[in-house]
Amino acid sequence: QVQLKESGPGLVAPSQSLSITCTVSGFSLTSYDISWIRQPPGKGLEWLGVIWTGGGTNYNSAFMSRLSISKDNSKSQVFLKMNSLQTDDTAIYYCVREGSGTAMDYWGQGTSVTVSS
Amino acid sequence: DVVMTQTPLSLPVSLGDQASISCRSSQSLVHSNGNTYLHWYLQKPGQSPKLLIYKVSNRFSGVPDRFSGSGSGTDFTLKISRVEAEDLGVYFCSQSTHVPTFGGGTKLEIK
Repeated sequence: QVQLKESGPGLVAPSQSLSITCTVSGFSLTSYDISWIRQPPGKGLEWLGVIWTGGGTNYNSAFMSRLSISKDNSKSQVFLKMNSLQTDDTAIYYCVREGSGTAMDYWGQGTSVTVSS
Repeated sequence: DVVMTQTPLSLPVSLGDQASISCRSSQSLVHSNGNTYLHWYLQKPGQSPKLLIYKVSNRFSGVPDRFSGSGSGTDFTLKISRVEAEDLGVYFCSQSTHVPTFGGGTKLEIK
């Protein structure tokens, strides 16, 4: 069955970088685009960016200068890297498959990231 | 960015009641290809969001038929015909016609 699972560091110091890996199963990264979305505590959802099946990317303009998304199709993994983290980057980070009608049809469980010294 | 505005913020209901959530976009969600990429998600407490409805009115796999979506242009509605306990949580609308954005959420709770 379709599954996505994020793994991240949990705690990041201010000004440092964040790296999260999303490992997928039940489908191929050559067939589906993958987006990253985050949700600050008690708040709504914010789209960060997408990596397309062909490897191209598109980013939310608010994060373009410090966000990078890449993938390894052979390992079924997608990578998010965000630089210069601040306390307002504290959030649950989700990797999500774009499927039915470009809707986000399957979500990972999310990985909680706290930015704190 | 396209702003998605949901109302109400909170929706107290009795089990078995009908519930209706509104979502309004700041721009038309009709894509140049003629499709309207407006979707609905439910996030239950402690869980990640799950897709309910895609492209305005299409139920995702396994979603009960008591959920229905409608609307066009900039105004959309999600209806739940007979609310069950498992339907409680926060509902989000989202658009992917433009750079994806989400509504602020509507919390469906027991009256």
